[in-house]
Amino acid sequence: GAVVSQHPSRVICKSGTSVKIECRSLDFQATTMFWYRQFPKQSLMLMATSNEGSKATYEQGVEKDKFLINHASLTLSTLTVTSAHPEDSSFYICSAQRVGGDTEAFFGQGTRLTVV
Amino acid sequence: AQSVSQHNHHVILSEAASLELGCNYSYGGTVNLFWYVQYPGQHLQLLLKYFSGDPLVKGIKGFEAEFIKSKFSFNLRKPSVQWSDTAEYFCAVTEYNFNKFYFGSGTKLNVKP
Repeated sequence: GAVVSQHPSRVICKSGTSVKIECRSLDFQATTMFWYRQFPKQSLMLMATSNEGSKATYEQGVEKDKFLINHASLTLSTLTVTSAHPEDSSFYICSAQRVGGDTEAFFGQGTRLTVV
Repeated sequence: AQSVSQHNHHVILSEAASLELGCNYSYGGTVNLFWYVQYPGQHLQLLLKYFSGDPLVKGIKGFEAEFIKSKFSFNLRKPSVQWSDTAEYFCAVTEYNFNKFYFGSGTKLNVKP
């Protein structure tokens, strides 16, 4: 149980376009989902916390107008990278916690974004 | 925000060698501690976790970790590694409410057969 699916796993887009990444909890409901970014040889950096039905909370230094997060239901959160630039190329990972809280997070497989 | 440090970025061991990966965190309050593993091409998976109680925690696949509060450390150990342990290992911390996870930079372990 507790499977989190991200789609797409890889995407290449042109500079200036927008890309949407989906994160779904397949067999549980998630009140909270988290979005991370991982640079090569670095840690997962928390970008934002997404709560169902409310605005996302962004970490310091993360541009909320560039990384739009929507948590429309208890099983789906989306991250849209707007007006993408090559420096946005990275590995994006989501995680989810179950309704009622949980003692661990369940991770998606990640999305490799390349902006050309 | 929390800070999590993993001291070893890349470790190479032969099979049957013992493993210890260091992890230190910065927060002085109550924390929950985790080790995750990421096998090549796969999701992050939970190895073990500590919330309270016995500071020596046993996880899956023969891994264990010891929480030393005075040193703000949560080091991962395995007495005898196998080739199948080749993966990247991440230490993570949450504050008491299990809200945000803060990760270390990861340690890549290569086990030579």
